[in-house]
Amino acid sequence: KQEVTQIPAALSVPEGENLVLNCSFTDSAIYNLQWFRQDPGKGLTSLLLIQSSQREQTSGRLNASLDKSSGRSTLYIAASQPGDSATYLCAVRWGAQKLVFGQGTRLTINP
Amino acid sequence: GAGVSQTPSNKVTEKGKYVELRCDPISGHTALYWYRQSLGQGPEFLIYFQGTGAADDSGLPNDRFFAVRPEGSVSTLKIQRTERGDSAVYLCASSASTSGDPQYFGPGTRLTVL
Repeated sequence: KQEVTQIPAALSVPEGENLVLNCSFTDSAIYNLQWFRQDPGKGLTSLLLIQSSQREQTSGRLNASLDKSSGRSTLYIAASQPGDSATYLCAVRWGAQKLVFGQGTRLTINP
Repeated sequence: GAGVSQTPSNKVTEKGKYVELRCDPISGHTALYWYRQSLGQGPEFLIYFQGTGAADDSGLPNDRFFAVRPEGSVSTLKIQRTERGDSAVYLCASSASTSGDPQYFGPGTRLTVL
């Protein structure tokens, strides 16, 4: 069964720290992987998309890496800010068009 | 440009009633997706449209759920004989094509069945 797991479920760090969010998936034959941010009561904002042929993608202070062989992706956030507080979701697309999501990591950045 | 929009933003209904949820995708996007998100969980796939046709409806939980996209743009998710377990946030997403483009999500409709 194709599953996506995100650990930890919640993370709290002081402002200014660099941090890493983890995502693991069960089947390495992915098509692509997408990281999203979700603020309370809101929809999902797409952060980064990594195609299966890529190893990483960067946008501003965000860097996402992909290691298919180990079934892992990480989202690196540099110099964290209180505005980064949100739930971060990892989603994998395999052969079908649908995305399979992890349960998310709820991130709190403390001023 | 405008993103994905969904109406209503909130819907409260009584058990057994019929509801319709609407999604307006990003203009020109051919692929449209519906997901459902329960509290504290990641979204779960319901159905995917390519153009007017439902290409994959494997995520619909039962035959009370139905979705249409008659002109290849706006889509409506229809739920008959609602149950309390249908309460969730229903999210719509669209993408430019099916060849690996990112999916862009709307704000969702929060459905509460009393």
